[in-house]
Amino acid sequence: GQQLNQSPQSMFIQEGEDVSMNCTSSSIFNTWLWYKQDPGEGPVLLIALYKAGELTSNGRLTAQFGITRKDSFLNISASIPSDVGIYFCAGPSPYGGATNKLIFGTGTLLAVQP
Amino acid sequence: DAGVTQSPTHLIKTRGQQVTLRCSPISGHKSVSWYQQVLGQGPQFIFQYYEKEERGRGNFPDRFSARQFPNYSSELNVNALLLGDSALYLCASSLGGGQDYGYTFGSGTRLTVV
Repeated sequence: GQQLNQSPQSMFIQEGEDVSMNCTSSSIFNTWLWYKQDPGEGPVLLIALYKAGELTSNGRLTAQFGITRKDSFLNISASIPSDVGIYFCAGPSPYGGATNKLIFGTGTLLAVQP
Repeated sequence: DAGVTQSPTHLIKTRGQQVTLRCSPISGHKSVSWYQQVLGQGPQFIFQYYEKEERGRGNFPDRFSARQFPNYSSELNVNALLLGDSALYLCASSLGGGQDYGYTFGSGTRLTVV
């Protein structure tokens, strides 16, 4: 199925470091969502973006809606061990019709060493 | 308030068997969506139901079916199981259809087909 491309695929960092990851699509999206998934759990919504160029923060997390509407970025500042998990970008399918079905990215695995 | 509840949490089935997965949405939420997450990938949309009607279907074979009950709970059925159906099956609930991306995901049902 269709998926968004995320990079990097994985990151192994030291506690306190800043993290950047991105998500790209070949199609235009009108909404970008960032989720975090812990092992054995479902994804949890971190940030939602609704306008091109929008920059939104949630604590140490900041996400941006790319101007081309084909990409989005997530930054985590001063990482801590509980930031460990898989981060997914997602957006409503351009071909979703009446549904609000989401297309998910391939995920970025983040590991933080204390 | 209880979150999205899925049962069972884990399941092992044999190829060719049938399985039923259950989901109870957050109280007041009328829309339920089902996603399949294969290990190492992002979730893939299977179905969305809103007010007991199917709103959308992903690119999955007819072996996959679902329904939503008057109390808005939902069941996902998979017939003639294949090894490739092994995955985490996620249920997500939201208030309604349309441009509502306020999904809350359950913790999922881990299905293993042997």
